[in-house]
Amino acid sequence: GQSLEQPSEVTAVEGAIVQINCTYQTSGFYGLSWYQQHDGGAPTFLSYNALDGLEETGRFSSFLSRSDSYGYLLLQELQMKDSASYFCAVTLGGGATNKLIFGTGTLLAVQP
Amino acid sequence: EAGVAQSPRYKIIEKRQSVAFWCNPISGHATLYWYQQILGQGPKLLIQFQNNGVVDDSQLPKDRFSAERLKGVDSTLKIQPAKLEDSAVYLCASRPLTFSGTGELFFGEGSRLTVL
Repeated sequence: GQSLEQPSEVTAVEGAIVQINCTYQTSGFYGLSWYQQHDGGAPTFLSYNALDGLEETGRFSSFLSRSDSYGYLLLQELQMKDSASYFCAVTLGGGATNKLIFGTGTLLAVQP
Repeated sequence: EAGVAQSPRYKIIEKRQSVAFWCNPISGHATLYWYQQILGQGPKLLIQFQNNGVVDDSQLPKDRFSAERLKGVDSTLKIQPAKLEDSAVYLCASRPLTFSGTGELFFGEGSRLTVL
């Protein structure tokens, strides 16, 4: 089966840097994605790693280590609007039939 | 470009009643997914369509859940009869047939179901 583990909650202050970790156990792994979901809203795509290393998109960076089955999302210069749930998701299969399996989610609370 | 549309946004029913949710994906997106998200948890894949064919329904409780995408565009998810544990948000997502390289899914706002 597939499993992804994340911390349930993280708290940080405005302007700080926070890292949200994700460990996974899957078969057919193709890549690791991160999604943001505000309360009552739709999950929205943040980043994707197919290869080991760091991907940077503005204030957000994501890292993947395939050998360690581990990844993280790094949020810099935290803003109040970053308060949301963050999910890692593994992409299984790389073709037209690929699917996403989501982690348990991390609730990030940004304090002033 | 219009996003993924879902309706109804909210639904309250008694247990053992039936309910249906509708999803219209982004135009041209061949692949459509239904996810169930219980409060405080991550989305759980229920069923995946490619055009009007089912790709994966291994996690769909087929004794009570059914889904169809007859013309390969919009889709309906039905629950009959509903149980208390079906209370959740039902999310629809879509993506183009061609793998974009990121596997990005585009989600709708979801349909929130409360079973009393």
